[in-house]
Amino acid sequence: GQNIDQPTEMTATEGAIVQINCTYQTSGFNGLFWYQQHAGEAPTFLSYNVLDGLEEKGRFSSFLSRSKGYSYLLLKELQMKDSASYLCAVRDSNYQLIWGAGTKLIIKP
Amino acid sequence: DAGITQSPRHKVTETGTPVTLRCHQTENHRYMYWYRQDPGHGLRLIHYSYGVKDTDKGEVSDGYSVSRSKTEDFLLTLESATSSQTSVYFCAISEDEETGELFFGEGSRLTVL
Repeated sequence: GQNIDQPTEMTATEGAIVQINCTYQTSGFNGLFWYQQHAGEAPTFLSYNVLDGLEEKGRFSSFLSRSKGYSYLLLKELQMKDSASYLCAVRDSNYQLIWGAGTKLIIKP
Repeated sequence: DAGITQSPRHKVTETGTPVTLRCHQTENHRYMYWYRQDPGHGLRLIHYSYGVKDTDKGEVSDGYSVSRSKTEDFLLTLESATSSQTSVYFCAISEDEETGELFFGEGSRLTVL
């Protein structure tokens, strides 16, 4: 079967750095996405990785290792507005997106 | 922001009644999707469309049907709603199936009593 694993919840301090991990087992691989979802709102796109390595976009970076079936999202200089759920999704060989259950990130002052 | 709207945003209905959710886009994107989101689960694909009158089933399609008669509109119908279909439903659009990101609507919260 296909599976995406990510921690259910994480807590971090304002101004700090947090890393949210995602591991996957899917039928094929055609890219990995990270989305942010604030409570009661729609998911919004954060990043896309299809090749191994690090993609940096401002305070957010995303890393991919295809051989290990592993990705992480790194958030720097945390702000209170970063409190949200972070969703990892993998596009399989049929170009269907398989979604993790999401990681709820709580930021404390 | 991508022009995508869902209606209704909230609905309470009774078991056995039909329900239709509407997704409308102004981006002229080819692909449209209906997902449901439940606590403890990832987004689960119900149905998707790759063009006018071209639709296919997702992983949780039982009890749902869809129609797309125009590029901009994608309808999700629950023929006879059940309590297990209480959920938040998201419509999403994308321009490119292979690499394109999804743009989501605001969501429709459905409660089946």
